[in-house]
Amino acid sequence: GQQLNQSPQSMFIQEGEDVSMNCTSSSIFNTWLWYKQDPGEGPVLLIALYKAGELTSNGRLTAQFGITRKDSFLNISASIPSDVGIYFCAGLPPTSGTYKYIFGTGTRLKVLA
Amino acid sequence: EAQVTQNPRYLITVTGKKLTVTCSQNMNHEYMSWYRQDPGLGLRQIYYSMNVEVTDKGDVPEGYKVSRKEKRNFPLILESPSPNQTSLYFCASSLYDGQPQHFGDGTRLSIL
Repeated sequence: GQQLNQSPQSMFIQEGEDVSMNCTSSSIFNTWLWYKQDPGEGPVLLIALYKAGELTSNGRLTAQFGITRKDSFLNISASIPSDVGIYFCAGLPPTSGTYKYIFGTGTRLKVLA
Repeated sequence: EAQVTQNPRYLITVTGKKLTVTCSQNMNHEYMSWYRQDPGLGLRQIYYSMNVEVTDKGDVPEGYKVSRKEKRNFPLILESPSPNQTSLYFCASSLYDGQPQHFGDGTRLSIL
């Protein structure tokens, strides 16, 4: 089935640094979502993108829907310790039937104070 | 507060002993879904429901059953659990099929 490649798998960064991560696919998507999962909790929706080229911000987070519709990027500016967690992308492929989101395997972010 | 509630949060049990994980949402969402999360594999969909009495298989349905008798509830049933079903399970819901999903806090199942 369709897969999403999410990178990097994990990263250590210093507090205050900017962070970038991305998801890529071999096929196109109509919607891209970015979630964050804290330890012991479920994923929480951060940003939803619905149009190719769309750039959307949520506080220090900015995500973009790639122009080819095969990728999406998430940037976190001026990271803080509470940014620690796992970030997931999810893509919704075109379908003539039931919608089914495809999830990436996550980027584990660790912030060093 | 809008939420998806799963119970139990943790369960250790033995092979073959039937168990049910409950899921309830208070947002009047039509679409509900169950996922399992395993290291390196991401979230994989087990079953989903478009509305009351409408359910269908996801990517990994073997060994699981679901029911949707009421709009708010979507229990996951393991009739005869096996060790390969040890995993972290998430229930999710959205207003309609295709909308961004809201997730519960997860149920960690260990089948010995």
